[in-house]
Amino acid sequence: SYELTQPPSVSVSPGQTARITCSGDVLPNQYAYWYQQKPGQAPVVVIHQDNERPSGIPERFSGSGSGTTVTLTISGVQAEDEADYYCQSTDIIGTSVIFGGGTKLTVL
Amino acid sequence: QVTLKESGPALVKPTQTLTLTCTFSGFSLSTHGMRLSWIRQPPGKALEWLSHIYWDDDKLYTTSLETRLTISKDTSKNQVVLTMTNMDPVDTATYYCARIPDYWGQGTLVTVSS
Repeated sequence: SYELTQPPSVSVSPGQTARITCSGDVLPNQYAYWYQQKPGQAPVVVIHQDNERPSGIPERFSGSGSGTTVTLTISGVQAEDEADYYCQSTDIIGTSVIFGGGTKLTVL
Repeated sequence: QVTLKESGPALVKPTQTLTLTCTFSGFSLSTHGMRLSWIRQPPGKALEWLSHIYWDDDKLYTTSLETRLTISKDTSKNQVVLTMTNMDPVDTATYYCARIPDYWGQGTLVTVSS
């Protein structure tokens, strides 16, 4: 089965840049999505199709990828960005959904 | 405006069958290409995809649970139903229905306990 691997935690100070990585063999061939999840809330997509930002998502959120790794970058982190972040992709034929294990972003 | 809402029991006993309903609005599941999914999240743990159902009634299940899951739709009622048999305490989780990636329900917490 396919897996997506994320670091369990990332910590940054306000105003700094946070980078959260997601690695998996499917990523060169399938789109990646990033979700933000705050306590007690449903996930919210912050990046579509590797690097597209949905309407309403602040410009400080961006996505990029290289080979088997994709990266969510949050520039000028704000206290409100403290949350769990999940990457998501699909299996090699594009049907089954795969989630990463999640990364807890702490704003110091 | 797309909305989804999960409903079902908050507490089930081990070995029982769980039935969850997703009631949605703002789109039709009979539209070509449409798909609805179920995802769960145990407390403090990661998201886990469970199942899809497609506009043409095609269905897909996560391999690890496919013998226990059944998904169905009632297009006229704008509902999707997921059943999971032989529930166990490890199945305690918040269960979400979603039109991945953009639209998610609020989730419903299901606790499995005797």
